[in-house]
Amino acid sequence: NAGVTQTPKFQVLKTGQSMTLQCAQDMNHEYMSWYRQDPGMGLRLIHYSVGAGITDQGEVPNGYNVSRSTTEDFPLRLLSAAPSQTSVYFCASSWGQDNEKLFFGSGTQLSVL
Amino acid sequence: LAKTTQPISMDSYEGQEVNITCSHNNIATNDYITWYQQFPSQGPRFIIQGYKTKVTNEVASLFIPADRKSSTLSLPRVSLSDTAVYYCLVAPHGSGNTGKLIFGQGTTLQVKP
Repeated sequence: NAGVTQTPKFQVLKTGQSMTLQCAQDMNHEYMSWYRQDPGMGLRLIHYSVGAGITDQGEVPNGYNVSRSTTEDFPLRLLSAAPSQTSVYFCASSWGQDNEKLFFGSGTQLSVL
Repeated sequence: LAKTTQPISMDSYEGQEVNITCSHNNIATNDYITWYQQFPSQGPRFIIQGYKTKVTNEVASLFIPADRKSSTLSLPRVSLSDTAVYYCLVAPHGSGNTGKLIFGQGTTLQVKP
């Protein structure tokens, strides 16, 4: 198993551009989530999904959209990038009945100029 | 959701035992305590989980007092490679979990030679 795969690893955007961060898992996990990590801020939950077709907001959802059309994929969309969205983004997944045991991807480092 | 409080940073020396305490005064009856480790430029990884008393695995031990208002992660005889950020997560287990998993700021452990 590849686990949780995030692409791209690095991305530079200009203010106002849109893009999608990809996240895929091959463990048949029901639960998937996106976090951002800024220096001194720990991990902050953006959006999460408890199963295909179901998504919900986390702590810092503004400026981000998600969808969950399949069990495997959970893309994160930035509609109009802002410098405040410069961060490292982590995708995570877990079993539905044990979903606090998260498996994390290796992260996407995003810079918005 | 139970709020967690951890020390921001700790220093130790190789070969010492390190104890990191997490406070969670409003922990609920069905909440479990889960600890993660994050190395630089990597996603967090699950270390250990417990509900009460003591749990031990090949990486660490987790001590939870009877009132469960705090927990202590114990790392025996640390080495330089244990330098990382350690996160405490408190959330309902299994079917009681809504999926909104909120992390605190974590504790940065620096192990010195």
